[in-house]
Amino acid sequence: RKEVEQDPGPFNVPEGATVAFNCTYSNSASQSFFWYRQDCRKEPKLLMSVYSSGNEDGRFTAQLNRASQYISLLIRDSKLSDSATYLCVVNGGSYIPTFGRGTSLIVHP
Amino acid sequence: GAVVSQHPSWVICKSGTSVKIECRSLDFQATTMFWYRQFPKQSLMLMATSNEGSKATYEQGVEKDKFLINHASLTLSTLTVTSAHPEDSSFYICSARGGVSGGALEQYFGPGTRLTVT
Repeated sequence: RKEVEQDPGPFNVPEGATVAFNCTYSNSASQSFFWYRQDCRKEPKLLMSVYSSGNEDGRFTAQLNRASQYISLLIRDSKLSDSATYLCVVNGGSYIPTFGRGTSLIVHP
Repeated sequence: GAVVSQHPSWVICKSGTSVKIECRSLDFQATTMFWYRQFPKQSLMLMATSNEGSKATYEQGVEKDKFLINHASLTLSTLTVTSAHPEDSSFYICSARGGVSGGALEQYFGPGTRLTVT
């Protein structure tokens, strides 16, 4: 089993839709969790950290479920500019990051 | 937000030459820097973790004599690809992180260096 798993997609949704991604991790001792966004041929950019209590930033909501070992990202009112690959990152022991393979999102008009 | 620069942004070199890539944290002190490689349509692969003043820790399968990493200061790390070959052509990305003891758990990425070896 891979340490961090994501559905690669692509998720193809119309503008205005709500879309959710999940990411599962295998190391129960994982320390911290993040969502990054990566556009084609660009570097990843931090979207949001994921806290135990869940957190929201505008149209984006992240949740952590330690019992089931997954994190989620919800995007409401999708925009064309949300089209990108969304990477799940989990910090394990010694805070070494492990990346998921990413979930591709395509928002169409 | 934290800014990380990387230089050069792209480089083309001949087989057998060495290429040095610089990664700088511009507005924060990076206790830890990470070096990644990404092939087209694949995920980021962590190559090594570098803590300031210490030897880098390489991931399994990454040759430390081929990919030399130096992290001499809290704002600069370098990756040197020695005796580059065409199979080393890739997108190399660095990231920097502050001290985890201070709660700085997020890493910030440089813009990447696209290396092409002919």
